[in-house]
Order: sequence, then C-alpha cells, then structure tokens
Amino acid sequence: DIQMTQSPSTLSASVGDRVTITCRASQSISSWLAWYQQKPGKAPQVLIYEASSLESGAPSRFRGSGSGTEFTLTISSLQPDDSATYYCQQYLSSPFTFGPGTKVDIK
Amino acid sequence: QVQLQESGPGLVKPSETLSLTCSVFGASINNYYWSWIRQAPGKGLEWIGYIYHSEITTYKPSLNSRVTFLVDASKNQFSLKLSSVTTADTAIYYCVTSKNDFNYYAVWGQGTLVTVSS
Repeated sequence: DIQMTQSPSTLSASVGDRVTITCRASQSISSWLAWYQQKPGKAPQVLIYEASSLESGAPSRFRGSGSGTEFTLTISSLQPDDSATYYCQQYLSSPFTFGPGTKVDIK
Repeated sequence: QVQLQESGPGLVKPSETLSLTCSVFGASINNYYWSWIRQAPGKGLEWIGYIYHSEITTYKPSLNSRVTFLVDASKNQFSLKLSSVTTADTAIYYCVTSKNDFNYYAVWGQGTLVTVSS
C-alpha cells in the first residue's frame, strides 16, 4: 500500500495568513493526488485533483502543487470559513489511501 | 447534478453483517466508479473499495474477506455488505463517486453512522 503522511497535524493561523500543508507519499504517485476539506459533521469536499487542478466551485485561494512524492496545499489568504480538517488522497493505485489529516484553526 | 443517499440500519450486533445501500440520483450506475469510504469517530478517512461497470470490484485487502459490493441497476443503487463486524467497524459510512474514470471523489453522500454494539 502507498502510505500518505501530512504535516503539520494541526495549525492555527490568523485571517489573511498564507497557510501551507504538506503531504508526502511513500512512493511516487506522479500527480494522482487530491485534496479534501472536511468541516465538523459534514462529508468531505474535494478542493484539488490531479495535484493542482481546482475543482469546480472551490475557492481560488486554494492552490495545489507538487508531483512524485511531495505535495502542498496552499491557502493564499485564510478565511474564517476555512476552519476545517484537510486530507490528501492518492489515487494512483488501490487501495487508495488518505493522509491522516491537518486540522486548521483560526486564531 | 449527481446526488447520493445512504440508507440502512444504524445499529448492528457484533459478528453480524452490516448492510448499507446507496441510491444514486442524476447519473447512471452503469458509469463511473462507485465507492464506499468510512470514518471511525474522531478518526481519518478509510477507503473500503469500489465497484465499476456494475461488476468489477476492488476492495481494501485488509477487508477483502468480509466485504461485498453489489449493484442493482434496476433501482440505480449500489450496496455494501460487511460481515462478521466488530466494534472496530463502528464508523460513518459514506458512498462516493468520481463522476469520471478516476478515483478521487467529487460527490459524497451525507454519510450514515453505523454503530456495532450488542
């Protein structure tokens, strides 16, 4: 199985801050990576697919980058609505695996 | 747009079989990958498997001996059966789809909590 790790596990930032979350794969997954946002009590929503493609309807302040084994999700200007847990997921090969999540709090 | 709705018992006894159904609206069950993902309380996301073109299945290896996905094309539904459940199977179960031939998930059901308890 491809193992996914994320850092940090939690972060606290102020409105307007630039925030970066890192996701690493245990082997190369090319660009087969998605990012999801999950708010408490809700199903996750996809933000980014194929490492850097913005899902229709996702805010443009979310940007994905990377390839191979290292990826980042950047929120260019943190908004109150961005308080959530963020997960990366590889979909190169099954079993498709998720990172453990990064919880983002607003200071 | 595509919408998914899970249904099934919220409480299952240990050693019994968990059965859930996902009703699909706005798309044909004969297209795309249809998957189940679960989330134990307070934990991360776990992919269970997919069914594709109504008959091709792939399951997470650690669950492979206990899980079965089926499609009922006449009702535009797919289902999950997980046998011999334990308390470790307590989770919110989501049915999901990609709306394309890739396995990232653009459409999620609202999720249904299944508790395994006697």
